[in-house]
This record gives sequence, structure tokens and C-alpha cells, in this order.
Amino acid sequence: DTGVSQNPRHKITKRGQNVTFRCDPISEHNRLYWYRQTLGQGPEFLTYFQNEAQLEKSRLLSDRFSAERPKGSFSTLEIQRTEQGDSAMYLCASSLGQGAVGETQYFGPGTRLLVL
Amino acid sequence: AQSVTQLGSHVSVSEGALVLLRCNYSSSVPPYLFWYVQYPNQGLQLLLKYTSAATLVKGINGFEAEFKKSETSFHLTKPSAHMSDAAEYFCAVRERNDMRFGAGTRLTVKP
Repeated sequence: DTGVSQNPRHKITKRGQNVTFRCDPISEHNRLYWYRQTLGQGPEFLTYFQNEAQLEKSRLLSDRFSAERPKGSFSTLEIQRTEQGDSAMYLCASSLGQGAVGETQYFGPGTRLLVL
Repeated sequence: AQSVTQLGSHVSVSEGALVLLRCNYSSSVPPYLFWYVQYPNQGLQLLLKYTSAATLVKGINGFEAEFKKSETSFHLTKPSAHMSDAAEYFCAVRERNDMRFGAGTRLTVKP
């Protein structure tokens, strides 16, 4: 079990540029989640996938954000026209199951984004 | 909507002392509650979870938490703090398909 991996671990970009992050979940996990964590706060839910289907998106996910999970394996989160307010840690998590509320989500190490 | 509130953004204890991190929840249905720990520059690691079985839940690294419905609480405890326990701790409640996290409590352990 190699755990959830995320790349890159750090990203510095200029305002207005596009960025893309990748998440590789635990191999047999069918559900994948994206969260955003700002300094001094807990993670906030952005979106989740069951297999390749994106089933829910938070209102935090503006139209500049898009996430995909082709073939139900890895996922990418893209932010277009980045703004300074997008600076945060972006966390990915995965779980195995049908969405039972007691199901454990396993988190990756995160991608820290700094928008200058 | 369900939510959690963590009382105290910073807690400092001496090595060997009791650790008590407070979490209160708000939920109209039986909640599923979690405690996660986050070390610097790392993701979140599950410590323990409550899923309506036993009210006293034992987790990893000697931590445990007790679900108290009458107090709407799910406080995290450890009898004796170790230097390696210094980290950020998050309480969370499962809301449908996402987790709702508290703001976190930073635990400092003094030698």
C-alpha cells in the first residue's frame, strides 16, 4: 500500500496563469475527493468522484476550477487564471466503498500552491 | 448541516501530562465523527472514528475519544503526552459525501 500521492508537492505561479495538480489514489479505491486547506483552517470540501463520475461539487469550486478522473484512476485538478486567493494547500483523499458515512478517507500529502 | 467546533486553537502540555483536545458537534442525525492528525507539510492521518458502535473509541498512538450525546462532544484524550504528539489535530463530521472539519487545534509538547 503506497498511499495517496500528489504531484507536485509545491507550486509557485504568477497571477493569471493556469496550474494543474495530480492525485494518484490508493489503487483499489473507487472514490476520490479534493479539499482545499488555507492557513489556520481545516480542509474544505471541493468535489468528489465515484469511479470516473464527478458526483458532487462544492460552491467553493468556481468556474475557474475543473477536475477530472479519466478511467476512474488518477485525478487532476486545474485552476485557470489563478488569483492570489487561490493560494492554499490542495488535498486529495480516497476511499473504498459505496459512500457509507463511516467510510475512512485516506489523505495524500497535499500540493501547496502560492500565487504571486 | 452538520458541523464541528474545536475549542482552543492552541494547546500546550508538558511531556507526560494528559492531553485533552475538545470537539463539539452539531447534527440533527446521529453523527459519524473523526479525529485526524496533521504533521507539518504532510497530509491528514486518521487517528480514530466513531460510527455509532462503542461510545469510547480507541485509536492509534494511544489516543482515544468518547462520544457523549448529552454534551454533543467528542473530545480526544491521551493519558501521557509524548514529544512526537506535537502536531495539528482536526475533528471532523461526515456530511453525506464530504467531511466537515473543525479549524484545528495545534498541540505543543514541552520537554
